[in-house]
Amino acid sequence: QKEVEQNSGPLSVPEGAIASLNCTYSDRGSQSFFWYRQYSGKSPELIMFIYSNGDKEDGRFTAQLNKASQYVSLLIRDSQPSDSATYLCAVSPLLGNKLVFGAGTILRVKS
Amino acid sequence: GAGVSQSPRYKVAKRGQDVALRCDPISGHVSLFWYQQALGQGPEFLTYFQNEAQLDKSGLPSDRFFAERPEGSVSTLKIQRTQQEDSAVYLCASSPRTGLAQPQHFGDGTRLSIL
Repeated sequence: QKEVEQNSGPLSVPEGAIASLNCTYSDRGSQSFFWYRQYSGKSPELIMFIYSNGDKEDGRFTAQLNKASQYVSLLIRDSQPSDSATYLCAVSPLLGNKLVFGAGTILRVKS
Repeated sequence: GAGVSQSPRYKVAKRGQDVALRCDPISGHVSLFWYQQALGQGPEFLTYFQNEAQLDKSGLPSDRFFAERPEGSVSTLKIQRTQQEDSAVYLCASSPRTGLAQPQHFGDGTRLSIL
């Protein structure tokens, strides 16, 4: 079992729709959770981070964390073609400062 | 610039050659990380520095990989006797503090191709 799992996609949504990206993790002691966006050939760009159970909203983005279910998600409202990218879920384990990444979900927003 | 800077952006080497990859983190950032990203995969942790101290090198795949950050700012990742499986993008990231995991800011990476 991988430490951080994501559906590889591609996830296709029409412009203006809500895109829902999901991630599960295996280390129950994980403390910090991050979503990065990566365009092809570019470096990962931090979108959001969340530490506590519940929802955290920033503009069109909402991160949701459920530690009991070991599940974290990212919702993108009013999806735009420019949101088309790979979305990486990253988790910081209980011990250490490193990030453990999932393989990423490819999102395609169709205009 | 204000971001993490990596050089070179692209490196082509023949199998068996040594390579050195450079990372210049955001000024004042205490923590520095190296990751390796294979095509279609997420970044995988290699090593972590807090200032000049290498506190975690558990992700280095073999003793051919060596990293240093002698003055607590610029870091170099060196790969000796390169192999084809070393071909990947090498990403450097920095964060301002230690403690509960801080958001890490990534450089544009070095794309290494071993022929």
